[in-house]
Amino acid sequence: GAVVSQHPSRVICKSGTSVKIECRSLDFQATTMFWYRQFPKQSLMLMATSNEGSKATYEQGVEKDKFLINHASLTLSTLTVTSAHPEDSSFYICSAVGTSGGWRETQYFGPGTRLLVL
Amino acid sequence: AQTVTQSQPEMSVQEAETVTLSCTYDTSESDYYLFWYKQPPSRQMILVIRQEAYKQQNATENRFSVNFQKAAKSFSLKISDSQLGDAAMYFCAYRSASGGSNYKLTFGKGTLLTVNP
Repeated sequence: GAVVSQHPSRVICKSGTSVKIECRSLDFQATTMFWYRQFPKQSLMLMATSNEGSKATYEQGVEKDKFLINHASLTLSTLTVTSAHPEDSSFYICSAVGTSGGWRETQYFGPGTRLLVL
Repeated sequence: AQTVTQSQPEMSVQEAETVTLSCTYDTSESDYYLFWYKQPPSRQMILVIRQEAYKQQNATENRFSVNFQKAAKSFSLKISDSQLGDAAMYFCAYRSASGGSNYKLTFGKGTLLTVNP
């Protein structure tokens, strides 16, 4: 149980294009999802908190117009990197918090998406 | 704001031996959760163990156990009978129990564990 999927696992795009990454909780409902960015050999950096049915809350320094987050259902959140540039190349990870039973209050992570912008 | 410190950037252990990873944290709260996550080379974050601060008993999950010292604000992870598959980056994380936290985690910088055959 407590499986979170991400799609795609890898994406290469040209500079200036937009890329959408999906995060799904497969066997539980998640009112809250998180998006992280991770640079090589570093810890996870929280980008934003996504609550179902409401606007995402972005961490300081994260451009909300560049990283669009939508949490339309209890099992799906999407991150769209708009007008991507090479400096946006990174590893993006989502997580979801369970809402009931043994999954409550624990973040479960997706496998991550490696984005390369050429 | 809460902070989490992992003072060991790298650790190594011989296969079948025991290793302890250190984690300290700073908080003024009395109720919170602590976690250890593992990130192997695949980069999938995997929950290893979690501890509720109100519980005095140390959490245990098979070969993984913690030494939770609330007064000292210390939360170390002990891995017994180390296996090659335990090689990974290990992150200690803190989460407030207050409703306003929105389940946000504060991570340490990680400890890279190498397991030698």
